[in-house]
Amino acid sequence: EAGVVQSPRYKIIEKKQPVAFWCNPISGHNTLYWYRQNLGQGPELLIRYENEEAVDDSQLPKDRFSAERLKGVDSTLKIQPAELGDSAVYLCASSLDWSGRVGNEQFFGPGTRLTVL
Amino acid sequence: QKEVEQNSGPLSVPEGAIASLNCTYSDRGSQSFFWYRQYSGKSPELIMFIYSNGDKEDGRFTAQLNKASQYVSLLIRDSQPSDSATYLCAVRKDSNYQLIWGAGTKLIIKP
Repeated sequence: EAGVVQSPRYKIIEKKQPVAFWCNPISGHNTLYWYRQNLGQGPELLIRYENEEAVDDSQLPKDRFSAERLKGVDSTLKIQPAELGDSAVYLCASSLDWSGRVGNEQFFGPGTRLTVL
Repeated sequence: QKEVEQNSGPLSVPEGAIASLNCTYSDRGSQSFFWYRQYSGKSPELIMFIYSNGDKEDGRFTAQLNKASQYVSLLIRDSQPSDSATYLCAVRKDSNYQLIWGAGTKLIIKP
């Protein structure tokens, strides 16, 4: 079974430039998450999708970040314009659905390491 | 107070010994607890989850949960150099099922 796929793996941009990250979740997983992880910290949730609906985006900096999940499968996270403080690893994860039942764990993609100069 | 707390380490353990990793949480209503392993430059990988008080064993790994004291631990028996990584504790909030993450404990297994 294929895991969560993300691209690109690395991205270096200058501040004020736009950047986009792409994620393809595990087949059959309805819930998709975007996390940001800074060095020495745990992942921080940015947005959660249930199918194509964004149901938790309370921690997404909406002035510069946007996300979409067309057709409830692939997702794109965009930053425009990027700032120095956006340098981090952006992780995509997926799970069967959004519930507390046993077996519904989150699986992560390899992440995109963003460096803003 | 952070919702999920872990000692950042590094925790250094000799090869073959037992490594003990601890995590405390503040939301008493939390019901689900997860341990993820993260190698340097890689993404988190699920090792174990535990829902009930007591111990849960999977190979060399044992998760221990004590809801009354609000802590969860991970024991790694017969530690190997390949176990060297950062171990992240995550707690699922009962109110909205959101995972709350600790900052991780860096574990170093010395040959």
